[in-house]
Amino acid sequence: NAGVTQTPKFQVLKTGQSMTLQCAQDMNHNSMYWYRQDPGMGLRLIYYSASEGTTDKGEVPNGYNVSRLNKREFSLRLESAAPSQTSVYFCASRFPSTDTQYFGPGTRLTVL
Amino acid sequence: DAKTTQPNSMESNEEEPVHLPCNHSTISGTDYIHWYRQLPSQGPEYVIHGLTSNVNNRMASLAIAEDRKSSTLILHRATLRDAAVYYCILIVGAQKLVFGQGTRLTINP
Repeated sequence: NAGVTQTPKFQVLKTGQSMTLQCAQDMNHNSMYWYRQDPGMGLRLIYYSASEGTTDKGEVPNGYNVSRLNKREFSLRLESAAPSQTSVYFCASRFPSTDTQYFGPGTRLTVL
Repeated sequence: DAKTTQPNSMESNEEEPVHLPCNHSTISGTDYIHWYRQLPSQGPEYVIHGLTSNVNNRMASLAIAEDRKSSTLILHRATLRDAAVYYCILIVGAQKLVFGQGTRLTINP
């Protein structure tokens, strides 16, 4: 039981490049989330998916797109990366009966 | 979203109890109080949650004030591995977590 996994662990991009961050969970949870964390700050919600086939914007969605590929996988895409998107990105899934969220190890993204 | 207020930092000694306070004066009757912690270079980790009554688990205890406007996370015997940023969060509506800046806990050996 791996919980929430994220790939890649580290990534360096040049301004304008695109990439997709992958997230998968094996806990059969319906809800999944993408957050970003800037240095010294708390996490901020980018997008979330309450169930397969649905996605909703969070607090900071600009510059990102998401895809809920199936119940297990929720990907985050940067179409044209900007230095302001340099951050650590965390994916999470939610256990419904307690509202507990389980987080992945994060992807550290640097945009030059 | 409902707001919480926590001290920016706290310091304690190894093997001593630690009391981490959180104020949530605008809490509504159905808001659950959740605590998460984030160890260095890791994702947040669930610690404990409660609604009205005090709660205990293997990691910590949660003491909730009678008026629910504040709560305290209690680590009964801190270890060096408890050094982390601790977040107090109210769960509202669509189960979204709204993180503040949390309390950075330092444990001295």
